[in-house]
Amino acid sequence: TQLLEQSPQFLSIQEGENLTVYCNSSSVFSSLQWYRQEPGEGPVLLVTVVTGGEVKKLKRLTFQFGDARKDSSLHITAAQPGDTGLYLCAATGNQFYFGTGTSLTVIP
Amino acid sequence: DADVTQTPRNRITKTGKRIMLECSQTKGHDRMYWYRQDPGLGLRLIYYSFDVKDINKGEISDGYSVSRQAQAKFSLSLESAIPNQTALYFCATSDLRGDGELFFGEGSRLTVL
Repeated sequence: TQLLEQSPQFLSIQEGENLTVYCNSSSVFSSLQWYRQEPGEGPVLLVTVVTGGEVKKLKRLTFQFGDARKDSSLHITAAQPGDTGLYLCAATGNQFYFGTGTSLTVIP
Repeated sequence: DADVTQTPRNRITKTGKRIMLECSQTKGHDRMYWYRQDPGLGLRLIYYSFDVKDINKGEISDGYSVSRQAQAKFSLSLESAIPNQTALYFCATSDLRGDGELFFGEGSRLTVL
């Protein structure tokens, strides 16, 4: 049983479209992180959200932490081919539990 | 040069062989981790270490062992490799804060025939 479930598992969209990726759990977390992984590389941190209800923006990416601190979402506006990759959420702490991942392909 | 270096990057081996994956870091972090990545399962923690004398099992430690030779070095061993250990393995480091950033190596792809 995965601590963090992500949806969708796969997403293929056209350049310019918007999308949302979800990270859900039944557990409460002190903070959540989002990472992006490109082929042949390790994951790289995008953002850390700490406060329930918090919204953080990173250019065209918007991250939200649920009010109850059990879930998070990542919204990408006007997706570009450079956004292609595997997006992973992670619950922070001593062990950093990762979600199941969402593989995004943005078609030019 | 990469801050977190893994060797080898690719390895093909046979069932029953002993395999060691090595990780070294130049970030000066005390905390080091080994993760396994399989399609659809994200990253699963195998072992983690908070300093040279502190080794802890993660969620999938069976069939694996680790050694923390120094602050900068953390190796993962498969004593007798089996085909379902075929996966992409990542080493990562972090600083002391619980919500600190994880810094990953580029991964070691292991195939067990």
